[in-house]
Amino acid sequence: EADIYQTPRYLVIGTGKKITLECSQTMGHDKMYWYQQDPGMELHLIHYSYGVNSTEKGDLSSESTVSRIRTEHFPLTLESARPSHTSQYLCASSESRFGAGGYTGELFFGEGSRLTVL
Amino acid sequence: QKEVEQDPGPLSVPEGAIVSLNCTYSNSAFQYFMWYRQYSRKGPELLMYTYSSGNKEDGRFTAQVDKSSKYISLFIRDSQPSDSATYLCAMSGSSASKIIFGSGTRLSIRP
Repeated sequence: EADIYQTPRYLVIGTGKKITLECSQTMGHDKMYWYQQDPGMELHLIHYSYGVNSTEKGDLSSESTVSRIRTEHFPLTLESARPSHTSQYLCASSESRFGAGGYTGELFFGEGSRLTVL
Repeated sequence: QKEVEQDPGPLSVPEGAIVSLNCTYSNSAFQYFMWYRQYSRKGPELLMYTYSSGNKEDGRFTAQVDKSSKYISLFIRDSQPSDSATYLCAMSGSSASKIIFGSGTRLSIRP
């Protein structure tokens, strides 16, 4: 079982509020990711980090921001939530390396944070 | 055009049936092909991965990759109600740093 945790699992909040979605992993993985997932739609990468103090925006434009001050922690923040931010946010980590055994870039996902902005 | 196309379903089959799930893709640089399974209210988990073309079998699951047709498949034999989930195909290039996901196929196995 993957050791990656997301809180809160569910959040209902009013427009204009600031929110932070927490993500922590205990596997020592250097790479961490935030995906956005809407029903029936593919996962869209919104942020990723390849190590401490390294963050990049993903393919899907997002008004959220992230930080990576510690290896195990990768929080996502929305300064002013809007109804268009309503979605499921999935955090993942990986240890991408290629050994003799083959591909080891497996993504380990948390259970997700479902955000509803009223 | 999306880089990865996957029929969203839903697909409903009786218990014991053989299930075939498929994805097509457009980027010939993809070399790693994966299938993730996602149960309701959970995050996806890696089910199988294949490098380049060919078949890979793991118990009741077989993954096939046809790079010439840019087509990948996942077969589930002797399907069980516990296989009911959303199955997402995913793929990446040689660096494996950027993984592109399909939209997922929702599968339901009827007892």
